[in-house]
Amino acid sequence: GAGVSQSPRYKVAKRGQDVALRCDPISGHVSLFWYQQALGQGPEFLTYFQNEAQLDKSGLPSDRFFAERPEGSVSTLKIQRTQQEDSAVYLCASSFTPSGGIFAEQFFGPGTRLTVL
Amino acid sequence: AQSVTQLGSHVSVSEGALVLLRCNYSSSVPPYLFWYVQYPNQGLQLLLKYTTGATLVKGINGFEAEFKKSETSFHLTKPSAHMSDAAEYFCAVRGGLGQNFVFGPGTRLSVLP
Repeated sequence: GAGVSQSPRYKVAKRGQDVALRCDPISGHVSLFWYQQALGQGPEFLTYFQNEAQLDKSGLPSDRFFAERPEGSVSTLKIQRTQQEDSAVYLCASSFTPSGGIFAEQFFGPGTRLTVL
Repeated sequence: AQSVTQLGSHVSVSEGALVLLRCNYSSSVPPYLFWYVQYPNQGLQLLLKYTTGATLVKGINGFEAEFKKSETSFHLTKPSAHMSDAAEYFCAVRGGLGQNFVFGPGTRLSVLP
């Protein structure tokens, strides 16, 4: 497709379950970002990949959160032992240039809305 | 470190009226500033950005923003609101090369007929 896609669009999990959220960036985009957007808030940075390398994971809130991009394209954000405070929309964004590119516009996917009961 | 504040979590204007959404930033380095719009159940879409050069930046859908370094502001304006402008608007800052986005909390714009 022409844009960033994410799946599933909606996910309901029971507390304690593991979840995996998928992001398909725009083809050829080098950079990939994950953000967490709580209800009524702006997106907050989680982690950043340049190709397959995870260059920044400073925003991951705990060691229950794990992200990977093994072949430098599709990325998966995994949350283990989900808790209610993990409920949020998880946004993925991709960019053609590495993060150092000053004109590196980020293109966002529609997000995955995670609800933990 | 960078931060963004947006004054007013909810702004209502009449159709045809001026839209003014406020954004103030804090950055230890020359900032790169962005406005994004988010429609319900959709991803964020870039409206406009300031990197260097002209401080008055024009974007899509008739929006523009002016970078004022002395006021550390990057307010978003549109001369005449349209019903289709109703959405959530986010101001964001990048601190410089290699920096991720830091977003403000957002302002929800309602346009009244």
